[in-house]
Amino acid sequence: RKEVEQDPGPFNVPEGATVAFNCTYSNSASQSFFWYRQDCRKEPKLLMSVYSSGNEDGRFTAQLNRASQYISLLIRDSKLSDSATYLCVVGNTGGFKTIFGAGTRLFVKA
Amino acid sequence: EAGVTQFPSHSVIEKGQTVTLRCDPISGHDNLYWYRRVMGKEIKFLLHFVKESKQDESGMPNNRFLAERTGGTYSTLKVQPAELEDSGVYFCASSPPRRGGSSSYEQYFGPGTRLTVT
Repeated sequence: RKEVEQDPGPFNVPEGATVAFNCTYSNSASQSFFWYRQDCRKEPKLLMSVYSSGNEDGRFTAQLNRASQYISLLIRDSKLSDSATYLCVVGNTGGFKTIFGAGTRLFVKA
Repeated sequence: EAGVTQFPSHSVIEKGQTVTLRCDPISGHDNLYWYRRVMGKEIKFLLHFVKESKQDESGMPNNRFLAERTGGTYSTLKVQPAELEDSGVYFCASSPPRRGGSSSYEQYFGPGTRLTVT
Protein backbone atom coordinates (compact mmCIF):
# COMPACT_ATOMS: atom_id res chain seq x y z
CA ARG A 1 0.00 0.00 0.00
CA LYS A 2 1.30 3.47 -0.89
CA GLU A 3 1.85 5.96 1.92
CA VAL A 4 -0.20 8.61 0.13
CA GLU A 5 -2.97 7.52 -2.20
CA GLN A 6 -4.88 9.60 -4.70
CA ASP A 7 -7.37 8.82 -7.43
CA PRO A 8 -5.29 9.38 -10.59
CA GLY A 9 -8.32 10.55 -12.58
CA PRO A 10 -8.47 12.11 -15.04
CA PHE A 11 -11.32 14.32 -14.00
CA ASN A 12 -12.92 16.00 -17.00
CA VAL A 13 -15.17 18.87 -15.99
CA PRO A 14 -16.77 21.84 -17.75
CA GLU A 15 -15.87 25.41 -16.87
CA GLY A 16 -17.76 26.59 -13.83
CA ALA A 17 -18.09 23.14 -12.29
CA THR A 18 -17.19 22.22 -8.76
CA VAL A 19 -14.73 19.35 -8.41
CA ALA A 20 -13.40 17.55 -5.35
CA PHE A 21 -10.24 15.52 -4.91
CA ASN A 22 -9.51 13.15 -2.08
CA CYS A 23 -6.33 11.76 -0.65
CA THR A 24 -5.60 9.24 2.10
CA TYR A 25 -2.38 8.76 4.00
CA SER A 26 -1.19 5.77 5.99
CA ASN A 27 1.09 7.27 8.67
CA SER A 28 -1.01 8.47 11.58
CA ALA A 29 2.01 10.41 12.91
CA SER A 30 2.12 12.67 9.82
CA GLN A 31 2.47 16.28 10.82
CA SER A 32 2.03 18.51 7.79
CA PHE A 33 -0.25 18.40 4.80
CA PHE A 34 -0.30 20.25 1.52
CA TRP A 35 -1.81 20.43 -1.91
CA TYR A 36 0.54 21.24 -4.77
CA ARG A 37 -0.30 21.79 -8.37
CA GLN A 38 1.94 20.66 -11.21
CA ASP A 39 1.62 21.70 -14.82
CA CYS A 40 2.98 19.48 -17.57
CA ARG A 41 6.80 19.28 -17.45
CA LYS A 42 6.97 21.96 -14.74
CA GLU A 43 7.87 21.92 -11.07
CA PRO A 44 5.26 21.45 -8.34
CA LYS A 45 3.89 24.73 -7.02
CA LEU A 46 2.43 25.06 -3.55
CA LEU A 47 -1.32 25.57 -3.72
CA MET A 48 -2.13 25.55 -0.03
CA SER A 49 -1.33 24.05 3.33
CA VAL A 50 -4.08 21.97 4.92
CA TYR A 51 -5.14 22.38 8.53
CA SER A 52 -7.52 20.44 10.74
CA SER A 53 -9.73 23.51 10.95
CA GLY A 54 -9.92 23.63 7.18
CA ASN A 55 -8.77 26.51 5.07
CA GLU A 56 -9.99 28.43 2.09
CA ASP A 57 -8.19 30.49 -0.52
CA GLY A 58 -10.54 32.01 -3.04
CA ARG A 59 -12.13 29.20 -5.02
CA PHE A 60 -10.08 26.52 -3.25
CA THR A 61 -10.99 24.84 0.03
CA ALA A 62 -8.91 22.19 1.75
CA GLN A 63 -9.91 19.94 4.64
CA LEU A 64 -8.00 17.54 6.85
CA ASN A 65 -9.57 14.71 8.81
CA ARG A 66 -6.89 13.24 11.08
CA ALA A 67 -9.16 10.55 12.49
CA SER A 68 -9.81 9.15 9.01
CA GLN A 69 -6.36 10.11 7.68
CA TYR A 70 -8.01 11.86 4.80
CA ILE A 71 -7.35 15.15 2.98
CA SER A 72 -9.61 16.84 0.47
CA LEU A 73 -9.44 19.70 -2.01
CA LEU A 74 -12.51 21.41 -3.40
CA ILE A 75 -12.30 23.68 -6.42
CA ARG A 76 -15.33 25.83 -7.12
CA ASP A 77 -16.17 27.62 -10.37
CA SER A 78 -13.46 25.77 -12.30
CA LYS A 79 -11.43 27.74 -14.82
CA LEU A 80 -9.61 26.50 -17.89
CA SER A 81 -6.40 27.51 -16.13
CA ASP A 82 -7.11 25.05 -13.31
CA SER A 83 -6.22 22.20 -15.67
CA ALA A 84 -3.19 20.55 -14.08
CA THR A 85 -2.15 17.64 -11.87
CA TYR A 86 -2.95 18.11 -8.20
CA LEU A 87 -0.51 16.51 -5.79
CA CYS A 88 -1.36 15.55 -2.24
CA VAL A 89 1.73 15.88 -0.04
CA VAL A 90 2.20 14.68 3.53
CA GLY A 91 5.08 15.56 5.84
CA ASN A 92 6.53 13.03 8.29
CA THR A 93 9.57 12.93 10.54
CA GLY A 94 9.02 16.28 12.14
CA GLY A 95 7.13 17.48 9.10
CA PHE A 96 10.11 17.82 6.79
CA LYS A 97 10.30 14.46 5.02
CA THR A 98 7.56 14.80 2.47
CA ILE A 99 5.71 12.00 0.76
CA PHE A 100 4.00 12.77 -2.53
CA GLY A 101 0.94 11.15 -3.93
CA ALA A 102 0.99 10.23 -7.59
CA GLY A 103 -1.36 13.10 -8.39
CA THR A 104 -4.86 13.60 -9.75
CA ARG A 105 -5.16 14.90 -13.27
CA LEU A 106 -7.79 17.58 -13.92
CA PHE A 107 -8.98 18.77 -17.31
CA VAL A 108 -11.33 21.75 -17.39
CA LYS A 109 -13.06 22.19 -20.74
CA ALA A 110 -14.85 25.17 -22.26
CA GLU B 1 12.66 37.58 -4.61
CA ALA B 2 14.48 34.98 -6.67
CA GLY B 3 13.13 31.46 -6.52
CA VAL B 4 14.96 28.16 -6.32
CA THR B 5 17.27 27.72 -9.27
CA GLN B 6 18.77 24.54 -10.65
CA PHE B 7 21.53 23.87 -13.13
CA PRO B 8 21.66 22.38 -15.67
CA SER B 9 18.09 22.21 -16.93
CA HIS B 10 18.91 19.13 -19.00
CA SER B 11 21.78 16.66 -18.98
CA VAL B 12 22.37 13.70 -21.27
CA ILE B 13 25.20 11.40 -20.25
CA GLU B 14 26.33 7.88 -20.98
CA LYS B 15 26.12 5.06 -18.52
CA GLY B 16 29.18 5.06 -16.31
CA GLN B 17 29.79 8.79 -16.53
CA THR B 18 29.52 11.28 -13.69
CA VAL B 19 27.04 14.13 -13.46
CA THR B 20 26.76 16.91 -10.88
CA LEU B 21 23.54 18.80 -10.40
CA ARG B 22 23.41 22.13 -8.63
CA CYS B 23 20.68 23.81 -6.62
CA ASP B 24 20.55 27.36 -5.28
CA PRO B 25 17.79 27.73 -2.69
CA ILE B 26 15.79 30.84 -1.90
CA SER B 27 17.94 33.23 0.12
CA GLY B 28 17.49 32.68 3.85
CA HIS B 29 16.02 29.20 3.49
CA ASP B 30 17.94 26.90 5.81
CA ASN B 31 16.13 23.79 4.63
CA LEU B 32 17.04 22.27 1.29
CA TYR B 33 15.64 19.08 -0.22
CA TRP B 34 16.36 16.88 -3.17
CA TYR B 35 13.69 14.83 -4.92
CA ARG B 36 13.53 12.62 -7.97
CA ARG B 37 10.73 11.73 -10.33
CA VAL B 38 11.26 8.80 -12.65
CA MET B 39 8.95 8.26 -15.61
CA GLY B 40 5.46 7.28 -14.58
CA LYS B 41 6.16 7.37 -10.85
CA GLU B 42 5.48 9.82 -8.07
CA ILE B 43 8.02 12.31 -6.82
CA LYS B 44 10.31 10.66 -4.27
CA PHE B 45 12.17 12.30 -1.41
CA LEU B 46 15.94 11.84 -1.52
CA LEU B 47 17.31 13.92 1.33
CA HIS B 48 16.98 16.98 3.50
CA PHE B 49 19.65 19.47 4.61
CA VAL B 50 19.38 21.93 7.44
CA LYS B 51 22.06 24.45 6.60
CA GLU B 52 25.10 22.29 5.83
CA SER B 53 23.98 19.25 7.83
CA LYS B 54 22.23 16.24 6.35
CA GLN B 55 19.10 15.87 8.44
CA ASP B 56 17.59 12.93 6.62
CA GLU B 57 19.10 11.02 3.73
CA SER B 58 16.86 7.99 3.97
CA GLY B 59 15.65 8.39 0.40
CA MET B 60 19.05 8.24 -1.28
CA PRO B 61 18.90 5.16 -3.53
CA ASN B 62 22.49 3.95 -3.11
CA ASN B 63 26.06 5.06 -2.59
CA ARG B 64 26.41 6.23 -6.17
CA PHE B 65 24.59 9.37 -5.08
CA LEU B 66 26.39 12.03 -3.03
CA ALA B 67 24.83 15.28 -1.90
CA GLU B 68 26.72 18.15 -0.37
CA ARG B 69 25.88 21.59 0.90
CA THR B 70 29.14 23.17 1.93
CA GLY B 71 28.65 26.50 3.69
CA GLY B 72 24.94 25.93 3.94
CA THR B 73 24.09 27.79 0.74
CA TYR B 74 23.90 25.99 -2.59
CA SER B 75 23.87 22.22 -2.84
CA THR B 76 25.20 19.69 -5.32
CA LEU B 77 24.01 16.19 -6.09
CA LYS B 78 26.57 13.99 -7.78
CA VAL B 79 25.78 10.69 -9.44
CA GLN B 80 28.85 8.53 -10.02
CA PRO B 81 28.81 6.29 -11.97
CA ALA B 82 25.43 6.92 -13.59
CA GLU B 83 23.18 3.99 -14.47
CA LEU B 84 20.25 3.83 -16.86
CA GLU B 85 17.73 3.74 -14.00
CA ASP B 86 19.01 7.09 -12.72
CA SER B 87 17.20 8.85 -15.57
CA GLY B 88 14.46 11.17 -14.41
CA VAL B 89 13.79 14.69 -13.23
CA TYR B 90 15.67 15.83 -10.15
CA PHE B 91 13.94 18.57 -8.21
CA CYS B 92 15.39 20.72 -5.49
CA ALA B 93 13.22 22.56 -2.99
CA SER B 94 13.80 24.88 -0.07
CA SER B 95 11.84 26.04 2.94
CA PRO B 96 12.34 28.72 5.61
CA PRO B 97 13.97 28.12 9.00
CA ARG B 98 11.82 26.08 11.34
CA ARG B 99 9.30 28.01 13.40
CA GLY B 100 5.91 27.15 14.80
CA GLY B 101 3.15 26.37 12.32
CA SER B 102 2.92 24.61 9.00
CA SER B 103 4.42 27.48 7.01
CA SER B 104 7.87 26.32 8.10
CA TYR B 105 7.31 23.17 6.13
CA GLU B 106 6.06 24.81 2.94
CA GLN B 107 8.54 23.92 0.26
CA TYR B 108 9.28 25.88 -2.90
CA PHE B 109 10.54 23.91 -5.84
CA GLY B 110 13.07 24.66 -8.51
CA PRO B 111 12.37 23.91 -12.17
CA GLY B 112 14.23 20.60 -12.02
CA THR B 113 17.07 18.99 -13.93
CA ARG B 114 16.05 16.43 -16.50
CA LEU B 115 18.72 13.71 -16.51
CA THR B 116 18.91 11.17 -19.29
CA VAL B 117 21.39 8.31 -19.00
CA THR B 118 21.95 6.44 -22.27
